[in-house]
Amino acid sequence: AQTVTQSQPEMSVQEAETVTLSCTYDTSENNYYLFWYKQPPSRQMILVIRQEAYKQQNATENRFSVNFQKAAKSFSLKISDSQLGDTAMYFCASTDSWGKFQFGAGTQVVVTP
Amino acid sequence: DGGITQSPKYLFRKEGQNVTLSCEQNLNHDAMYWYRQDPGQGLRLIYYSQIVNDFQKGDIAEGYSVSREKKESFPLTVTSAQKNPTAFYLCASRFSGSTYEQYFGPGTRLTVT
Repeated sequence: AQTVTQSQPEMSVQEAETVTLSCTYDTSENNYYLFWYKQPPSRQMILVIRQEAYKQQNATENRFSVNFQKAAKSFSLKISDSQLGDTAMYFCASTDSWGKFQFGAGTQVVVTP
Repeated sequence: DGGITQSPKYLFRKEGQNVTLSCEQNLNHDAMYWYRQDPGQGLRLIYYSQIVNDFQKGDIAEGYSVSREKKESFPLTVTSAQKNPTAFYLCASRFSGSTYEQYFGPGTRLTVT
């Protein structure tokens, strides 16, 4: 069974600043994948970034990067140079080898001018 | 344009009635998923299907039913046995294989009174 925990219900950040969202997970799988999804007010789920567990190198996508600590089962997301359009709910997720996804409860990010 | 469609966007039903939510994809994805999202909460898995004519229960399958007669379609029926059906429902699909992320539809907001 998989569990994903996001302990920060809401984070506020000013434009151009950096914010880091935390995520911890637990899984019995040896091969698994981790994802961050964004859900803006439109409620459309959008993939932000993904990480293969067997890769030590942290994934990056433009202003978004992760800090993947496999031993600690931690998968945090850093948003650099925050923009107003980054305001959204952010979900951490894991998937097992059967294709079953587990999502965290989400962190609401509010970017202020 | 390739994508996932869910219809309708808003759906209203009287208590005691069954209702079917539509989900269609033209991405040639093998796997399809249904999630429920309640206010301030993450996504909870209702059912998923890896191939045609086969599907598995997720974490909250009680009161729901699905079918997968075609690769492109994965309708969800919310039955009268579901005690709290009012929620936002998201459909997703992906290629089989654990490396692949899910793509999401725009969602259906179901209100039962």
